[in-house]
Amino acid sequence: SQTIHQWPATLVQPVGSPLSLECTVEGTSNPNLYWYRQAAGRGLQLLFYSIGIDQISSEVPQNLSASRPQDRQFILSSKKLLLSDSGFYLCAWGRGGRNSPLHFGNGTRLTVT
Amino acid sequence: ELKVEQNPLFLSMQEGKNYTIYCNYSTTSDRLYWYRQDPGKSLESLFVLLSNGAVKQEGRLMASLDTKARLSTLHITAAVHDLSATYFCAVLTGNQFYFGTGTSLTVIP
Repeated sequence: SQTIHQWPATLVQPVGSPLSLECTVEGTSNPNLYWYRQAAGRGLQLLFYSIGIDQISSEVPQNLSASRPQDRQFILSSKKLLLSDSGFYLCAWGRGGRNSPLHFGNGTRLTVT
Repeated sequence: ELKVEQNPLFLSMQEGKNYTIYCNYSTTSDRLYWYRQDPGKSLESLFVLLSNGAVKQEGRLMASLDTKARLSTLHITAAVHDLSATYFCAVLTGNQFYFGTGTSLTVIP
């Protein structure tokens, strides 16, 4: 069976510090990978998605970046965090077929102070 | 810009009552997904609707899709407290899933 791991679960970082959130998927190959952000009490904003290594699309221009160093690894980074980067970050994977839903990790709650 | 709108945003209902959550979207798509999110938790897939007229049911929840009207509904029958959560619909276009604004449901005993 497929599983998705996301860490850390919670993170408190000062403004201006760097960020690295990691997500890995097990039990499948060549998944589509996604990063979403959810502000408190709000919906999900698509940040990045990737259909393969070195194929990453950005949805919203911002001070975040994403990388996919391995087929089943997706990393969200920032060089300098802003207060507005606080939120609940969710990694998800999909099979790429149109009949398959997204499967989400447990999320990382980021507080920028 | 693709829009996925849900209404209501907040719903408080008594146990045993019925209600419907609506999801409207602005693009042509024949793939619609419903998710549930418990407070502080991640999202759990509920339904995958794959064509016009599709209907799926699980327990007290039933989802339907009308691609011509660009509308999906999530109907709750005889609500129970365990259904309290936030419900999201999502539309797939290309490889991108766009989520609705969410409906926060509270079922009152």
